[in-house]
Amino acid sequence: AQSVTQPDIHITVSEGASLELRCNYSYGATPYLFWYVQSPGQGLQLLLKYFSGDTLVQGIKGFEAEFKRSQSSFNLRKPSVHWSDAAEYFCAVAPYSGGGADGLTFGKGTHLIIQP
Amino acid sequence: EAQVTQNPRYLITVTGKKLTVTCSQNMNHEYMSWYRQDPGLGLRQIYYSMNVEVTDKGDVPEGYKVSRKEKRNFPLILESPSPNQTSLYFCASSFLVQGGPGELFFGEGSRLTVL
Repeated sequence: AQSVTQPDIHITVSEGASLELRCNYSYGATPYLFWYVQSPGQGLQLLLKYFSGDTLVQGIKGFEAEFKRSQSSFNLRKPSVHWSDAAEYFCAVAPYSGGGADGLTFGKGTHLIIQP
Repeated sequence: EAQVTQNPRYLITVTGKKLTVTCSQNMNHEYMSWYRQDPGLGLRQIYYSMNVEVTDKGDVPEGYKVSRKEKRNFPLILESPSPNQTSLYFCASSFLVQGGPGELFFGEGSRLTVL
């Protein structure tokens, strides 16, 4: 079964600074990879996804993520954070099996705090 | 408007009193799933469904049941709720992409407290 690790439980970044949230997965083949964001009291919203092709994917709200097969990583980045980016961020993986599928597995999340 | 609708949004109940949390989507998605979210544990999948009459266990299915009689609905049933099922529950749906779930659309969550 696949697994997802988000090593950082909390990250604090100053407004205007760059951001990188780490995500590592464990899966034998190339999975589908996602980043979701959850604002306080809200459901989850998709930021971006990787299925195949270009390993650098662009998402909403100025976020991007890079798939690195050799490192089994899919780190999320943003060049300049805004106070409204404060939220919980989840990395998720779904196996590509071409014919049947397990469900989507989420990491435990990274809580992003923005300092003024 | 495309959406996933869960009801109730908030519920306080007592141990052993059967309850159902409904989930409905209007996007004709094949895939539907239930997650529970607990502090420090992230989202854990309870059950999922690839299509009508096709359901399967996720990571934490104990104490829950589901059914998928219609494509749009995927109710979560707690036959005999216990306090350890106090949690925030999310329903989600997506199209299938090459045999797996694609982009998930989430409901707004149902906060359940079992006394």
